[in-house]
Amino acid sequence: EIVMTQSPATLSVSPGERVTLSCRASQSVSSNLAWYQQKPGQAPSLLIYGASTRATSIPARFSGSGSRTEFTLTISSLQSEDFAVYYCQQYNNWPLTFGGGTKVEIK
Amino acid sequence: QVHLVESGGGLVKPGGSLRLSCAASGFSFGDYYMDWIRQAPGKGLEWVSSISNSGGSLNYADSLKGRFTVSRDNAKNSLFLQMNSLRAEDTAVYYCARAGLGHNSFHLWGQGTVVTVSS
Repeated sequence: EIVMTQSPATLSVSPGERVTLSCRASQSVSSNLAWYQQKPGQAPSLLIYGASTRATSIPARFSGSGSRTEFTLTISSLQSEDFAVYYCQQYNNWPLTFGGGTKVEIK
Repeated sequence: QVHLVESGGGLVKPGGSLRLSCAASGFSFGDYYMDWIRQAPGKGLEWVSSISNSGGSLNYADSLKGRFTVSRDNAKNSLFLQMNSLRAEDTAVYYCARAGLGHNSFHLWGQGTVVTVSS
C-alpha cells in the first residue's frame, strides 16, 4: 500500500497570505495525484487532479505541482472561504490512498 | 444537474449488516467508475471500494477483509455497498463518489450517509 504523508498537519494563516501544502508518497505515483478541500459538515470537493490540472470551476489561485513522490498545493492568496482541511490522494495503485490532511486555520 | 444521493445508513449492532445505496442523476452513470469512501468521526478520508463502469472489476481496501461487497445497477443508475459483520470501527460517514473518465480521482461526491455500529 502506498502511504501518503501530508505536512504540516495544521497551518495558521492570515487572509491574503500565500499557502503551500505538501504531500509525499512512499513510492512513485507518477502524476496520478489529486487534491481535495473539505469544509466542516460538508463532503470533500475536488480541486486538482493529474497533479496540476484544476477541476471545473476551481479558481486560478489554486495550483498543484510535483510528480513521482513529491507534490505541492499552493493557494496564491488565501481567501476567507479557503479555510478548510485539504487532502491529497493517489490513484496510481490499488488500494487508493489518502493523506492524513492539512487543516488551514485562521491565524 | 448532476447529483449523488446516498441512503441506507443508520444504527446497527456489532456483527450486523447494512446495505447502502447511492442514486445517481444528471449524467451517464454507466460510463463511470464509482467508489465508496468513508470518514470516521473526527478523522480523515479512507477509500473503501471501487467498481468499474460495467461492474466487472471490483477493488477493496485491504482492511475490509471480505466483509463488504460493492455492486451497481446501471439500468437504475444506482450503486450499492453491502456491509456484513460490522464492527465499531466501521462507524463513519460513507460517501459515494464518481471517478473521472479514465482515472480514479473523485470528481463528484454525495452528501454522505452515517453508519453507527454500537450495541
